[in-house]
Amino acid sequence: QEILVQSGAAVMKPGASVRASCEASGYSFTDHNIHWVRQAPGQGLEWLGIIDAFGGATHYSQKFQGRLSMTRDTSTRTAYMELNNLTSADTAIYYCARDYATVSSGSLGPWGQGTPVIVSS
Amino acid sequence: SFDVTQAPSVSVSPGQTATITCSGEKVRNKYVSWYRQKPGQSPVLVIYQNDKRPSGIPERFSGSKSGNTASLTITETQTSDEANYFCQAWDSGATFGGGTQLTVL
Repeated sequence: QEILVQSGAAVMKPGASVRASCEASGYSFTDHNIHWVRQAPGQGLEWLGIIDAFGGATHYSQKFQGRLSMTRDTSTRTAYMELNNLTSADTAIYYCARDYATVSSGSLGPWGQGTPVIVSS
Repeated sequence: SFDVTQAPSVSVSPGQTATITCSGEKVRNKYVSWYRQKPGQSPVLVIYQNDKRPSGIPERFSGSKSGNTASLTITETQTSDEANYFCQAWDSGATFGGGTQLTVL
């Protein structure tokens, strides 16, 4: 069974950085890209970016350029997302999701359970 | 505002057919995916590449696209289909619609 398990909730101060992890199992990790998507309370879905799990290349939404970083560790089958200089507007659930196909398809599935991030002073 | 537009809500009676639409220029020339999200849960892919169904998704779910409008159709709608449905287009980045709350009553 293909599963993505994410790290637990985080409460951060404004200006801090948050790092979320996403451990994959049940499939060949390097065969599929990993996306990160967030959902603010009561809101829709917002795409942050994508990482090639094989080579590590990344592509970020322009909105987050300069304060977003995605990495992966193939030995532990884990992808990471780090967002810097947090504000209250970054309060959201952060999801990782596997690209459904082995060539980048832009369809996301399965999804991790989500990492809630609260930014509060 | 969203580059990809969805109606905020759709209501349907049990056993009837529900149609949820998604429109915008990003829809016209790009593959569209659909996701179902129930309260407190992660999204689930129900349609990819406009009209393909992942394994495990019932045949009651189908997708189509014409011009700049994509549609998700659910036949024989059940109360368990109540959820928020998001469409998404891919153009070197994912753009999601605002979501459509499907109510079955």
